[in-house]
Amino acid sequence: DTAVSQTPKYLVTQMGNDKSIKCEQNLGHDTMYWYKQDSKKFLKIMFSYNNKELIINETVPNRFSPKSPDKAHLNLHINSLELGDSAVYFCASSPPQAVYGYTFGSGTRLTVV
Amino acid sequence: GEDVEQSLFLSVREGDSSVINCTYTDSSSTYLYWYKQEPGAGLQLLTYIFSNMDMKQDQRLTVLLNKKDKHLSLRIADTQTGDSAIYFCAERTSDYKLSFGAGTTVTVRA
Repeated sequence: DTAVSQTPKYLVTQMGNDKSIKCEQNLGHDTMYWYKQDSKKFLKIMFSYNNKELIINETVPNRFSPKSPDKAHLNLHINSLELGDSAVYFCASSPPQAVYGYTFGSGTRLTVV
Repeated sequence: GEDVEQSLFLSVREGDSSVINCTYTDSSSTYLYWYKQEPGAGLQLLTYIFSNMDMKQDQRLTVLLNKKDKHLSLRIADTQTGDSAIYFCAERTSDYKLSFGAGTTVTVRA
């Protein structure tokens, strides 16, 4: 039933590890996004994919690699995790019509120790 | 974000009106949005306004847009405890990007 679902909801891991976050949407939207929300609640776009193609890559370190196997899925793989990667990562999707805002997932809280 | 600015905190008494203000920089923005984030949850779209509109009302929510000053506001009438949350203003700066403000934390006191 959930429109945009992310897994896992919580992720605690050590520095230097590699981890993945998965996102799936069942809304039939063409575009999917990853946003990072830092400890001050500031939201910044990381990536945007449209029909499996990368559209936006906002100066994100190349340790972050998104992958979109089909337009309903957008996963985020992070290599060599650093303390500063600790944040809440939100996946979102949107249809082509500009009037509709984004539908967000409930977030993945990543804590790097 | 650098392009969208909001005040960070607002405290309001239950039953009063809340007004959250936002300024944005991209005059070509077509749509502007208000999102609500409750603790531990994702962002929920509350309302949006098209850039050629001045006002939009949706039940207890009123959005005012001053395009000349690039100023957007959200008024919540009869604020309830369930309205306590972080409210984000966002502008659609391209087909594939929403830019968000830093969020206004609204606290409703009894």
